[in-house]
Amino acid sequence: AIQMTQSPSSLSASVGDRVTITCRASQGIRNDLGWYQQKPGKAPKLLIYAASSLQSGVPSRFSGSGSGTDFTLTISSLQPEDFATYYCLQDYNYPFTFGPGTKVDIK
Amino acid sequence: EVQLVESGGGLVQPGGSLRLSCAASGFTFSSYWMSWVRQAPGKGLEWVANIKQDGSEKYYVDSVKGRFTISRDNAKNSLYLQMNSLRAEDTAVYYCARVPSIAALYYGMDVWGQGTTVTVSS
Repeated sequence: AIQMTQSPSSLSASVGDRVTITCRASQGIRNDLGWYQQKPGKAPKLLIYAASSLQSGVPSRFSGSGSGTDFTLTISSLQPEDFATYYCLQDYNYPFTFGPGTKVDIK
Repeated sequence: EVQLVESGGGLVQPGGSLRLSCAASGFTFSSYWMSWVRQAPGKGLEWVANIKQDGSEKYYVDSVKGRFTISRDNAKNSLYLQMNSLRAEDTAVYYCARVPSIAALYYGMDVWGQGTTVTVSS
């Protein structure tokens, strides 16, 4: 199975900060990667699919990049509603695998 | 409104069985792959299973192979997860999710249900 790692595991940031989260796959997965946001007690929400495509309705401050094994989620200007946990998911092959998550909280 | 609603969770003893359901509405259910994803208390997300639009292909995470069965009824716009031989480590919130795909490429899980809680305990 493809292993997904994320860094950092958590970060503290302020409103307006630029935030970058990294996801790394244990083998190449082309651009078959998505990013999800989850708030406590809620279902995950798709932000980015195919590594860099913004899901409909998601604010443009979210962006994704990368291909192969290394991927990045960037929030250009952190907003109060962005404090959450972020997961990457590879859907390149089975079993699909999620990263362990990155918790973004308020500094 | 596009919606997924899970049901069927509850408390079950180790070794027991449970059947989860996911009712879809607001979209053409038969056009989408579907997934089950779970989250143990305080833990991250874990993909559990996928099923193709016509049910002809099914995939599972190793930890549930031989114990869980994913299925669907397109006439009823419903997805199911039959869980047998349940273990304490299966305790989790279970989500169903819609998976857009084109030509064997997937485009994320774009619609999620609210989740249903399964607790395996004696």
